[in-house]
Amino acid sequence: GAVVSQHPSWVICKSGTSVKIECRSLDFQATTMFWYRQFPKQSLMLMATSNEGSKATYEQGVEKDKFLINHASLTLSTLTVTSAHPEDSSFYICSAWTSRDGETQYFGPGTRLLVL
Amino acid sequence: GENVEQHPSTLSVQEGDSAVIKCTYSDSASNYFPWYKQELGKGPQLIIDIRSNVGEKKDQRIAVTLNKTAKHFSLHITETQPEDSAVYFCAPQTQAGTALIFGKGTTLSVSS
Repeated sequence: GAVVSQHPSWVICKSGTSVKIECRSLDFQATTMFWYRQFPKQSLMLMATSNEGSKATYEQGVEKDKFLINHASLTLSTLTVTSAHPEDSSFYICSAWTSRDGETQYFGPGTRLLVL
Repeated sequence: GENVEQHPSTLSVQEGDSAVIKCTYSDSASNYFPWYKQELGKGPQLIIDIRSNVGEKKDQRIAVTLNKTAKHFSLHITETQPEDSAVYFCAPQTQAGTALIFGKGTTLSVSS
């Protein structure tokens, strides 16, 4: 099956710094990638939809200047958390979709962010 | 937008018992119905899905049934094992390539 990777899997940073998370589709080209955030014991909440070569579409309540998304190629999307604060600590998960496989979306393993 | 509800929120069973989780959705245009399993600290994993032209689908111990009229679909796990312990999410979808809207999840605990 299709594989999606995320890097890093764990990151700890100081408040005020920026953190970049990568999402890669390893064996397919992803038309669209999605970024989700998950707080402990809660469901996945969609943050933004990312299409290669175009600006990301953010969900209501998600600050686009704080969560910068770049989808520079069909296999890579990045999420940068700028000026991170403790409340940004969460589990960030990406998924990728390719029209080749119908509706199926493939999820990455997630990135745990802890802001001190 | 789509309103998704899952029941129950927690489910505890003995090893070997069956487990059923129900997902109710609001958008009658939904036509793709996946179930995801998420283990602690990991991303969601697709375990079974069904499309609107099919009423039931089975894969070994796992099955999904769909009632489009009533707008709900259910996950059935038979002969549960401790490794089935996880959080299960439904995520009905109206159009391929759009984001999945997840239910709140069901925590399944299988005790041996």
